[in-house]
Amino acid sequence: DAGVIQSPRHEVTEMGQEVTLRCKPISGHNSLFWYRQTMMRGLELLIYFNNNVPIDDSGMPEDRFSAKMPNASFSTLKIQPSEPRDSAVYFCASRVGDYGYTFGSGTRLTVV
Amino acid sequence: TQLLEQSPQFLSIQEGENLTVYCNSSSVFSSLQWYRQEPGEGPVLLVTVVTGGEVKKLKRLTFQFGDARKDSSLHITAAQPGDTGLYLCAGIETGNTPLVFGKGTRLSVIA
Repeated sequence: DAGVIQSPRHEVTEMGQEVTLRCKPISGHNSLFWYRQTMMRGLELLIYFNNNVPIDDSGMPEDRFSAKMPNASFSTLKIQPSEPRDSAVYFCASRVGDYGYTFGSGTRLTVV
Repeated sequence: TQLLEQSPQFLSIQEGENLTVYCNSSSVFSSLQWYRQEPGEGPVLLVTVVTGGEVKKLKRLTFQFGDARKDSSLHITAAQPGDTGLYLCAGIETGNTPLVFGKGTRLSVIA
């Protein structure tokens, strides 16, 4: 089991550019979550999916953020256009049933 | 306003000392989890507690869920440098709602 796989691990981009973060959940896990972690605010839930369907996106900070889950094995989080305040570590996590979450290693995003 | 408040935020201790970190809320949780996160990695689940008053042990780590299911504590006995990391508590309020996290306690154990 390779765990939750996120790519890229690091992303440095210029303000105004489009950024796409990718996540492959664990096979068989039916829930997927996107979190953002900063020193100031800790881990914040952005959006989550159950069986590929978005359930709650109230944590998405602005319309510049969007997420998709076209199938059970892939999800993307897109920021367009990116801004310096979007700099953070973005985590994807998956879960099956009531068990604990399994997190990926994260994508460290820096917007300059 | 943070739903889950963790204290202390930072803790630096000598190897062999004992420590307790706390996770408090005014809300009731159906379950509460503790995670440990190391630099450059995602949080890793340590334990889940679901019953008020429940105590679980994981080697030198002891986790307790408050009777009212609003708070929890993590006690580490004889801390070791390998225990260094960010300890996060996270709770589920009801049913299928997602985890909400505290900001964490950053522990440093000095040899």
